[in-house]
Amino acid sequence: DSGVTQTPKHLITATGQRVTLRCSPRSGDLSVYWYQQSLDQGLQFLIQYYNGEERAKGNILERFSAQQFPDLHSELNLSSLELGDSALYFCASTARYRGGFYGYTFGSGTRLTVV
Amino acid sequence: QQQVKQSPQSLIVQKGGISIINCAYENTAFDYFPWYQQFPGKGPALLIAIRPDVSEKKEGRFTISFNKSAKQFSLHIMDSQPGDSATYFCAASLNYGGSQGNLIFGKGTKLSVKP
Repeated sequence: DSGVTQTPKHLITATGQRVTLRCSPRSGDLSVYWYQQSLDQGLQFLIQYYNGEERAKGNILERFSAQQFPDLHSELNLSSLELGDSALYFCASTARYRGGFYGYTFGSGTRLTVV
Repeated sequence: QQQVKQSPQSLIVQKGGISIINCAYENTAFDYFPWYQQFPGKGPALLIAIRPDVSEKKEGRFTISFNKSAKQFSLHIMDSQPGDSATYFCAASLNYGGSQGNLIFGKGTKLSVKP
């Protein structure tokens, strides 16, 4: 268990629908990052939150949005879903790595299948 | 300029051999270079990381070699074992402020170690 909790683990939904993915970061970690992993695109950065504020945006579609709540958990909202949105969605939070660098700790991901 | 290029896409190595995975980057402002290991069904896990002021870092059987002038870095896995079979991702990021910037990942290398 990495300490980053993602729910649900699997999600199957129809095109046009909206889903919410949830992430609880490691205790004490203030930053949450969302990544999308697909076979052809690898790990694509979507968005980062730091202590409740949006910090950076990557290749996130306008149909997608996220927020980080006061208790530091984060939610990724995906709407008007298309077949191409089927992917693994990972959440990560920053962790102190031995040597003083900051590394990500990833959750186990949510596998989204759009049918 | 934000890309990290990783090669090879896949690698087959005999047990006991050396696995070598290479990455190249363009943005000279990157200052943190981690490697992640991902097993099927799991999130990526931090393996080892390096800062550009160091040319080599070794942890057990894993070594990062870093060539700042060539903007390249590589992962060497010595005495490769079947348990090392996984997908490996290199990454790079900028550290700014008090929060680490988002990681830019390479597309991954699928390593298979044959017994």
